[in-house]
Amino acid sequence: KQEVTQIPAALSVPEGENLVLNCSFTDSAIYNLQWFRQDPGKGLTSLLLIQSSQREQTSGRLNASLDKSSGRSTLYIAASQPGDSATYLCAVKGGSEKLVFGKGTKLTVNP
Amino acid sequence: NAGVMQNPRHLVRRRGQEARLRCSPVKGHSHVYWYRQLPEEGLKFMVYLQKENIIDESGMPKERFSAEFPKEGPSILRIQQVVRGDSAAYFCASSPGGQQGRGEQYFGPGTRLTVT
Repeated sequence: KQEVTQIPAALSVPEGENLVLNCSFTDSAIYNLQWFRQDPGKGLTSLLLIQSSQREQTSGRLNASLDKSSGRSTLYIAASQPGDSATYLCAVKGGSEKLVFGKGTKLTVNP
Repeated sequence: NAGVMQNPRHLVRRRGQEARLRCSPVKGHSHVYWYRQLPEEGLKFMVYLQKENIIDESGMPKERFSAEFPKEGPSILRIQQVVRGDSAAYFCASSPGGQQGRGEQYFGPGTRLTVT
């Protein structure tokens, strides 16, 4: 059974800092991995999707890496801004169609 | 191009009533997924449907919950005789299916169900 863990559960940083969010999964037989952002009381916004054959994806100040063999992914946020404050969710897709989510990392960027 | 739409956005029901949650997928998407987010918990898969078929309902509670995705119209998640423990945010996602879209799922804004 796939399990996804995100560490830390919460993170508070000053504006401008570069930061890394971690995601680990127990079953390396994945099809893809998605990083989402969730604002309080809102839905999920897809940030990056990495296929199992890829090592990383970049979008603006975001870079996500995937090491399938070790069951790990990281989301790197450069030059953080207060508007980046949100909960970041990691989800993996295995052989079935369902996504398995971690509980998220709540990020606060202080001005 | 409209994304996934869910309604209502907020729903209040008294214990014992029925809740009906609707989801309209992205235009052209034939695969729909429902997830539930309990307070302080991660999102949990409930059910995966294609038009007129339930493909995987391994995450659905055995009783009181049902889902459908008819040939015409939105997907419906139905909860009968709601209890306080059903209070949660229910998210719908869609994908085009097959080799299209790289397996990416697109999420709606969710329906927040409160049972009083």
